[in-house]
Amino acid sequence: KNQVEQSPQSLIILEGKNCTLQCNYTVSPFSNLRWYKQDTGRGPVSLTIMTFSENTKSNGRYTATLDADTKQSSLHITASQLSDSASYICVVSAGLVRDDKIIFGKGTRLHILP
Amino acid sequence: NAGVTQTPKFQVLKTGQSMTLQCAQDMNHNSMYWYRQDPGMGLRLIYYSASEGTTDKGEVPNGYNVSRLNKREFSLRLESAAPSQTSVYFCASSPQGASREKLFFGSGTQLSVL
Repeated sequence: KNQVEQSPQSLIILEGKNCTLQCNYTVSPFSNLRWYKQDTGRGPVSLTIMTFSENTKSNGRYTATLDADTKQSSLHITASQLSDSASYICVVSAGLVRDDKIIFGKGTRLHILP
Repeated sequence: NAGVTQTPKFQVLKTGQSMTLQCAQDMNHNSMYWYRQDPGMGLRLIYYSASEGTTDKGEVPNGYNVSRLNKREFSLRLESAAPSQTSVYFCASSPQGASREKLFFGSGTQLSVL
């Protein structure tokens, strides 16, 4: 069964600290993996998208890694800011053809404290 | 450039009432989607439209109908609302398909069915 599991479920860190969010997937065939940020009361916004051949991609203070062999991805946030408080959702695409084969994780809720 | 616009933002219905959620995008995207987001669950696909004139069922289509009115607009209709349809609904669009490219989401509609 195609699944995307994220950990931790929630995380609280102090402003300025770094953190890493995890995503494990059992999706086949694998096409690409994305990370989205969802602010409270808003729709998700894309941070990164990685294909099978890419193992690192950065977007400002956000760096995503992908290990296609172990089917794991991580999202590292450097020097966190209050505006990073949000849910982070890992999304895996199971193929390029069918648009319904996109599996969303449940998200990690990140709280940044001043 | 407004992106993806959803209306209404909030709605309360009584069981058995009907309503239509409206969605429009101004990015000239071919593909449009309706998702629902429930606490503790990942986003789930209700219906999608890969291109103007086509619609397909997603993971949870029961109790819903859709219309791809033109390239810009994709509406979601609840014919006889049930409490199980209490959720946050997101419309999204993608240039050539969500399996290959990132999704652009609207701000969501919070729907409560009493």
